[in-house]
Amino acid sequence: LAKTTQPISMDSYEGQEVNITCSHNNIATNDYITWYQQFPSQGPRFIIQGYKTKVTNEVASLFIPADRKSSTLSLPRVSLSDTAVYYCLVEAAGNKLTFGGGTRVLVKP
Amino acid sequence: EPEVTQTPSHQVTQMGQEVILRCVPISNHLYFYWYRQILGQKVEFLVSFYNNEISEKSEIFDDQFSVERPDGSNFTLKIRSTKLEDSAMYFCASSEAMTGDSHNYGYTFGSGTRLTVV
Repeated sequence: LAKTTQPISMDSYEGQEVNITCSHNNIATNDYITWYQQFPSQGPRFIIQGYKTKVTNEVASLFIPADRKSSTLSLPRVSLSDTAVYYCLVEAAGNKLTFGGGTRVLVKP
Repeated sequence: EPEVTQTPSHQVTQMGQEVILRCVPISNHLYFYWYRQILGQKVEFLVSFYNNEISEKSEIFDDQFSVERPDGSNFTLKIRSTKLEDSAMYFCASSEAMTGDSHNYGYTFGSGTRLTVV
């Protein structure tokens, strides 16, 4: 049973906000929600992590409702260089990462 | 920003040969990992390493694979007798996980070694 479910792909345009929602109905109390970005032929890159409520950093925001059964990664004003695969993961501290298929985001001019 | 460094970036080897993939994790990180990604497929966990020993390994990490931290900085993955199906991108990662703390730190991945077995 997959830990997370997210859309396979999304298209957007430069300057728009992109929101990717991930479902994780079986999240455990000690699990954190983490998002990674991967460009072709490169390693995944950590974007943001949260446990509950809202987290914001210089590149993204992460919204987590009170029941923690889903989360939404928000990328403000995307550019062409944001075209990548975005992975949602839920893991406890120190555990290995289990990657799913991710969401392929294509930003168009 | 600290980086995880992997060498070589690309390795071509003949089937049956041994290869060693090298990684320099971030200096203050405590946990080290190897992952691989076959072209067009998911990123897969191979092994985690902590306190100079393997803490967890996947089914992929069979007797052909071994890891070593020979000194205070390098972390290596050895494939003893390569097979065609070992062709993939191999990513090293490190993390500063703090068990029992309120924080869980993200992993830092290297840029990978593309292994091609011919």
